[in-house]
Amino acid sequence: AQSVTQPDIHITVSEGASLELRCNYSYGATPYLFWYVQSPGQGLQLLLKYFSGDTLVQGIKGFEAEFKRSQSSFNLRKPSVHWSDAAEYFCAVGHGSGNTGKLIFGQGTTLQVKP
Amino acid sequence: DAGVIQSPRHEVTEMGQEVTLRCKPISGHNSLFWYRQTMMRGLELLIYFNNNVPIDDSGMPEDRFSAKMPNASFSTLKIQPSEPRDSAVYFCASTSGTSGGNEQFFGPGTRLTVL
Repeated sequence: AQSVTQPDIHITVSEGASLELRCNYSYGATPYLFWYVQSPGQGLQLLLKYFSGDTLVQGIKGFEAEFKRSQSSFNLRKPSVHWSDAAEYFCAVGHGSGNTGKLIFGQGTTLQVKP
Repeated sequence: DAGVIQSPRHEVTEMGQEVTLRCKPISGHNSLFWYRQTMMRGLELLIYFNNNVPIDDSGMPEDRFSAKMPNASFSTLKIQPSEPRDSAVYFCASTSGTSGGNEQFFGPGTRLTVL
């Protein structure tokens, strides 16, 4: 069965520091991979997604993620974190046609940004 | 487009009462998802519909929960009778197509408190 693991429940970084949030997935074929962000009191918003092709994907708000098939990982990165990036981040995996668009979400990682 | 619309945004009710949450998906989207989010269990998929037909309700916690989608522009999630452990944020999301590669668009959520 498909699954997504985000090993870090909570991460704290200083403003201006670099960030990497980890995501590991379990899926038999090439997955569709997503990162969503949830600001306090809000719904989830898509940051970026990977389908195929270039394994380094650029998203909104200066985020990027790299798909590594050999490690079954899709880690999210940002070179310099801003205080407004404090939020909860979810990694998700979807698969192909016939599954009606269902996504499997990880447990989420809460990012705290220190001034 | 107004995005996914959910109502009410907040609901406070007493144990034993019936609760109805409402969702209007993005026009043209043919898949709709109901999620529940709690601190303890994270983001859980309760049920999803494709072309107004329930596809998978295995995430519905028990018979007290029911969901309907009478037409392409409206869905309800009903809890009867409600219990304190149902307190959570309930999200509705919609997407187009049937591929797992399609972005899900989330509503702002309904925060339910059962006293």
